[in-house]
Amino acid sequence: EPEVTQTPSHQVTQMGQEVILRCVPISNHLYFYWYRQILGQKVEFLVSFYNNEISEKSEIFDDQFSVERPDGSNFTLKIRSTKLEDSAMYFCASNQGLTDTQYFGPGTRLTVL
Amino acid sequence: GESVGLHLPTLSVQEGDNSIINCAYSNSASDYFIWYKQESGKGPQFIIDIRSNMDKRQGQRVTVLLNKTVKHLSLQIAATQPGDSAVYFCAERGSGNQFYFGTGTSLTVIP
Repeated sequence: EPEVTQTPSHQVTQMGQEVILRCVPISNHLYFYWYRQILGQKVEFLVSFYNNEISEKSEIFDDQFSVERPDGSNFTLKIRSTKLEDSAMYFCASNQGLTDTQYFGPGTRLTVL
Repeated sequence: GESVGLHLPTLSVQEGDNSIINCAYSNSASDYFIWYKQESGKGPQFIIDIRSNMDKRQGQRVTVLLNKTVKHLSLQIAATQPGDSAVYFCAERGSGNQFYFGTGTSLTVIP
C-alpha cells in the first residue's frame, strides 16, 4: 500500500539554525499538508499546498516557514531560524482530492536546543 | 479561531466491550469531520469520516455519529480489541481546507 514517507525521523538543531524537513507524498496525490504536534498537545495545521502554491496557512505559519515542491516527488518544509518553541513532531500529509482521506507520514521529531 | 475539544482525556474499556469517544466542535460551518487514531510514535491514521449532510456513518467495527444541533461528534468502536489502544483525535474542516484537531482521547483496552 502506498504511504507518505518523511525524513529524517529525528532532527536535532541549534536555535537560530535553518532546518529542512522532507516528505514524499503518495505519488498520485495532488494536495499536500504540513502539521505539527508539540509534545502532549493536539495536532495543529500549518499549511496546505496545491498546484505549486500555498492554498491555506495558519497563524503559526509565519515568515520563518516556507514550503516547496522542488521536484515531482518531494515536498519540503523549511524553518529559517529555529526557535526553542519549534520543537515538535512535524507531520506531512497528502490526499488525492480535497474531500479525500488525508494520509499522514510517520513524522519528523524536531528538537531545537 | 476554531475550537475542537474532547470530553474525556482517557478511557479504559474491557476487551470485547464497546467504546464511545466524544468530541465537541465549535464551528457550525464545518462541513467535514474525520476521526484519526494515533499510536505511539506514529502519525495519525484515518479511521472514518463523515460529511455534514449525514448524521451517521458506519465502517468496519466503527461508527461515527454527528449531531449538528449540539455540534457533537462521537466515535463508537464495537468489540474493542487490544490493538485499538491508542489516542483518538477528531478533526473538523473549517474555512477553506484547514483542519482543526481535538486534543485527543487516550483509549486503553484491558485484556
